[in-house]
Amino acid sequence: AQTVTQSQPEMSVQEAETVTLSCTYDTSESNYYLFWYKQPPSRQMILVIRQEAYKQQNATENRFSVNFQKAAKSFSLKISDSQLGDTAMYFCAFTLLGNTPLVFGKGTRLSVIA
Amino acid sequence: DSGVTQTPKHLITATGQRVTLRCSPRSGDLSVYWYQQSLDQGLQFLIQYYNGEERAKGNILERFSAQQFPDLHSELNLSSLELGDSALYFCASSAGGGPKDYGYTFGSGTRLTVV
Repeated sequence: AQTVTQSQPEMSVQEAETVTLSCTYDTSESNYYLFWYKQPPSRQMILVIRQEAYKQQNATENRFSVNFQKAAKSFSLKISDSQLGDTAMYFCAFTLLGNTPLVFGKGTRLSVIA
Repeated sequence: DSGVTQTPKHLITATGQRVTLRCSPRSGDLSVYWYQQSLDQGLQFLIQYYNGEERAKGNILERFSAQQFPDLHSELNLSSLELGDSALYFCASSAGGGPKDYGYTFGSGTRLTVV
């Protein structure tokens, strides 16, 4: 079974600074997708960024980027120029190709401090 | 508005009771997924339906059941409720049988409180 581990239960960062959230996963498969979701206090789940395992280039979405290390099974999220609105729970998620459900990590609570 | 509609938003009920949570997927999406999020926990996968048929099952209790109707809306039935069933229940939808294209689109969740 696939597992996703987020080793940082809580983190904080000063506004305008950069922060990196860690995620590791375990799978014996070679083709899969990885995601980061954001859950603000409103509790809505919002897709932040996704990465296809067959792509070597790291995904970026504005201030959000990932560092995907396939051999190490690592998928970290970097948030640049942190904003107060980035305060949220961040979940790393994994899925195999072929219509399997997402497996989530336990999340990292990020607080952006003014 | 994500396009995935969950009702009700909040539900308070007593132990031993039965409730039904409803989800309408985003227009055109065929897959519906149900997740449970207990307090300050990650999301636990319960069950997936694709075009009316059960596609995958997670750690769903026998007291829980679900179905997807011909109009593609889905219902999650929770019976003989216990205090530990108090949680946020999310529904999500995707276009195909899995989230490989754009990930799931989540509804805003149903907050269930069992007293």
